Amino acid sequence: TQLLEQSPQFLSIQEGENLTVYCNSSSVFSSLQWYRQEPGEGPVLLVTVVTGGEVKKLKRLTFQFGDARKDSSLHITAAQPGDTGLYLCAGRTGGFKTIFGAGTRLFVKA
Amino acid sequence: GAVVSQHPSRVICKSGTSVKIECRSLDFQATTMFWYRQFPKQSLMLMATSNEGSKATYEQGVEKDKFLINHASLTLSTLTVTSAHPEDSSFYICSVYGPTGNTEAFFGQGTRLTVV
Repeated sequence: TQLLEQSPQFLSIQEGENLTVYCNSSSVFSSLQWYRQEPGEGPVLLVTVVTGGEVKKLKRLTFQFGDARKDSSLHITAAQPGDTGLYLCAGRTGGFKTIFGAGTRLFVKA
Repeated sequence: GAVVSQHPSRVICKSGTSVKIECRSLDFQATTMFWYRQFPKQSLMLMATSNEGSKATYEQGVEKDKFLINHASLTLSTLTVTSAHPEDSSFYICSVYGPTGNTEAFFGQGTRLTVV
């Protein structure tokens, strides 16, 4: 069974601080996605990483895919209250399904 | 990205009744759709894979007779929660893979089911 371990599960920080969320697995994924979910809504795709070692930037968000394509990280620089939400990593398995990590609930205090 | 519409967004039903949730792919045809369930403050758990024109594939531990899935067309999949009980109360979300590269999943807005 392929599992994605995501950490931390909860993070409360002050506005302006930096943070990193990690997503790890013992399995290789063909791609990893990061989603953000607001309460009562479906997840919204932030980024997809496909190539080992790939780094993608989305404004203050930096996403990295591990060289072995087993892990990924999301780094947020100078967090803002608007970044508050549930961040989910997800992996596309070789068998066509998408599985999710446990999620990281981020709360940024003004 | 793909546009996925889910209906209804919220539903309250009485115990013992059945509820149907629709998932539509609005801008392309999807031979496969996925249904997830999410409990409060938890992540998404895959329930089943909906296959157009054939039976759905259910994940281990998901009762196929309880959660009926029908994928009658290339743009519509339905999930029917039969004989609903309060423990079925949850957030149900469908997804499809995008039309290009089939790399990432796009999600509907979800359906909040409350069984009273």
